[in-house]
Amino acid sequence: DAKTTQPNSMESNEEEPVHLPCNHSTISGTDYIHWYRQLPSQGPEYVIHGLTSNVNNRMASLAIAEDRKSSTLILHRATLRDAAVYYCILMNAGNMLTFGGGTRLMVKP
Amino acid sequence: DAEITQSPRHKITETGRQVTLACHQTWNHNNMFWYRQDLGHGLRLIHYSYGVQDTNKGEVSDGYSVSRSNTEDLPLTLESAASSQTSVYFCASSVSRDPYEQYFGPGTRLTVT
Repeated sequence: DAKTTQPNSMESNEEEPVHLPCNHSTISGTDYIHWYRQLPSQGPEYVIHGLTSNVNNRMASLAIAEDRKSSTLILHRATLRDAAVYYCILMNAGNMLTFGGGTRLMVKP
Repeated sequence: DAEITQSPRHKITETGRQVTLACHQTWNHNNMFWYRQDLGHGLRLIHYSYGVQDTNKGEVSDGYSVSRSNTEDLPLTLESAASSQTSVYFCASSVSRDPYEQYFGPGTRLTVT
């Protein structure tokens, strides 16, 4: 399975944009890039996913490099409620998710 | 509103006992998954199902079993609970095998003493 690499932790100030990076140099052509987040004491929550083009939804934006070997999750204005562990995961046929360690995002007021 | 629920939310059991954790979804999703999450780690897949009567082993299936008799439910059974199975268990569902999102339940915290 193709793997992803994320920083262990990142810090942000409230109401500032946050860019969470993810490297996936062994991605295959059929792998979709998924992002989930897990708030303290809760189950993971879907954030966004994409294949080749950049994607936007009400929660975040996903910027995918042209060679697809990296991607960035963008939270446009971080709030205290965005403090969570963010997982970047490659999903292919079979709708399978393989979780790594993720990035712990801390948001300072 | 459609949802995915897990019960119980907390369970304490003794080593060697059989334990069943329930997962129920009202989205009519074909796929259902069971994960475990140990302290400070990401989730690991235990078992999954793509539909009624279909079950498959995941990465850490030893000591666990599932059965899928209807679309809504995928109970997880620990045949003989061990202390190493102390963990938080999450159930998830998704609509199909296409790369759509999975929806997760709130989790069950299981302690085996």
